[in-house]
Amino acid sequence: DTGVSQDPRHKITKRGQNVTFRCDPISEHNRLYWYRQTLGQGPEFLTYFQNEAQLEKSRLLSDRFSAERPKGSFSTLEIQRTEQGDSAMYLCASSTLGGLGQETQYFGPGTRLLVL
Amino acid sequence: GENVGLHLPTLSVQEGDNSIINCAYSNSASDYFIWYKQESGKGPQFIIDIRSNMDKRQGQRVTVLLNKTVKHLSLQIAATQPGDSAVYFCAVISGGYNKLIFGAGTRLAVHP
Repeated sequence: DTGVSQDPRHKITKRGQNVTFRCDPISEHNRLYWYRQTLGQGPEFLTYFQNEAQLEKSRLLSDRFSAERPKGSFSTLEIQRTEQGDSAMYLCASSTLGGLGQETQYFGPGTRLLVL
Repeated sequence: GENVGLHLPTLSVQEGDNSIINCAYSNSASDYFIWYKQESGKGPQFIIDIRSNMDKRQGQRVTVLLNKTVKHLSLQIAATQPGDSAVYFCAVISGGYNKLIFGAGTRLAVHP
């Protein structure tokens, strides 16, 4: 499978604990995005990397959240001191130029986080 | 900023019928639109896209229509099948880094 992969698929943690998620994009994609999706809603943008550079962060990304893409390949998203409101699906996407000359984002399966 | 909404939260259709899912957007400067399908427990799956210089684009059993005058797009699925049951999102590119703004989604339920 050469799609976007994410690990773990599910994470249950207690409030106050730190968690880290990993995303492996499609290998030739240099753009990588993180989104958060809560139940019944569409995904919301969190942050964007081009190669190893983090170029945009949403105001949804509080100072408890940090994302890295150290070698421009896989990325990690860490949440420190988790809160119950952090419970959501965390989605990663990577992009390439599509047939219309526009970047097309392809999503991974997501990591579902439950904070107790 | 961009607001993206869908007209109906749930759509029920009979197998074999055509389905139409609608979406409205607010920013007249938006120039790239995408439809995604999301099955339970999975990430969004790209279906079809369209640019603002187009009114219509067709894929396999799917057609996207764009009406820039009223800032509306629709996804038409021909001969809907049980495997089409999912939540469908329209998304709009926003900003210089191509981040996607999603609507809330329409759940499509296909009945045999």
